Amino acid sequence: DIQMTQSPSSLYASVGDRVTITCRAGQSIRSYLNWYQQKPGKAPKVLIYGASNLQNGVPSRFTGSGSGTDFTLTISSLQPEDFATYYCLQTSSAVGYTFGQGTKLEIK
Amino acid sequence: QITLEESGPTLVRPTQTLTLTCTFSGFSLSTSGVAVGWIRQPPGKALEWLAHIYWDDDKRYNPSLKTRLTITKDTSKNQVVLRMTNMDPVDTATYYCAHLDSGGWYYYDYWGQGTLVTVSS
Repeated sequence: DIQMTQSPSSLYASVGDRVTITCRAGQSIRSYLNWYQQKPGKAPKVLIYGASNLQNGVPSRFTGSGSGTDFTLTISSLQPEDFATYYCLQTSSAVGYTFGQGTKLEIK
Repeated sequence: QITLEESGPTLVRPTQTLTLTCTFSGFSLSTSGVAVGWIRQPPGKALEWLAHIYWDDDKRYNPSLKTRLTITKDTSKNQVVLRMTNMDPVDTATYYCAHLDSGGWYYYDYWGQGTLVTVSS
């Protein structure tokens, strides 16, 4: 199965900051990489699919990029509601899918 | 409007078999391209993909759990059932079912609220 390495595991930032979270795949997953946001006690919510496609209704301050093995999620200007945990998910492998270990974004 | 809801026991004894049901609306599992998956999350830990099933009954399982998992569908009832054998306390988690958008990029776009399953004697 394809391993996904997500970093950092935690991140402290302030409202208005620009932050970047990365995911690295153990082998090429082309652009089959999705990003999710999860708040405590809630189901994950998809932000980005296909590495760079913004899901309907998601603010444009969220941007995804990358292909092959290296991917990034960037939040251009943090808002109070963005403090949450973020996960990447690869959906390239016919064997099965893999989540990253998550990045907890906390207020500095 | 797509909705999904998980149901099943909240407490399972070690070695028992867990059976979870995902009841959905707003789409049909007899429609080409449609799939439903299961994902779990132990308390305070990361998400883990478990399995999914396609409209044509094609199934995929997490390789590390494959021997313990069975996923089935009942199209007439709009339900997907996940069975996990030989439950252990480490299987304590919130279990989610989700609709897989397989129109091109393959991503889970709609999720149930999750159901917490505790494994304890």
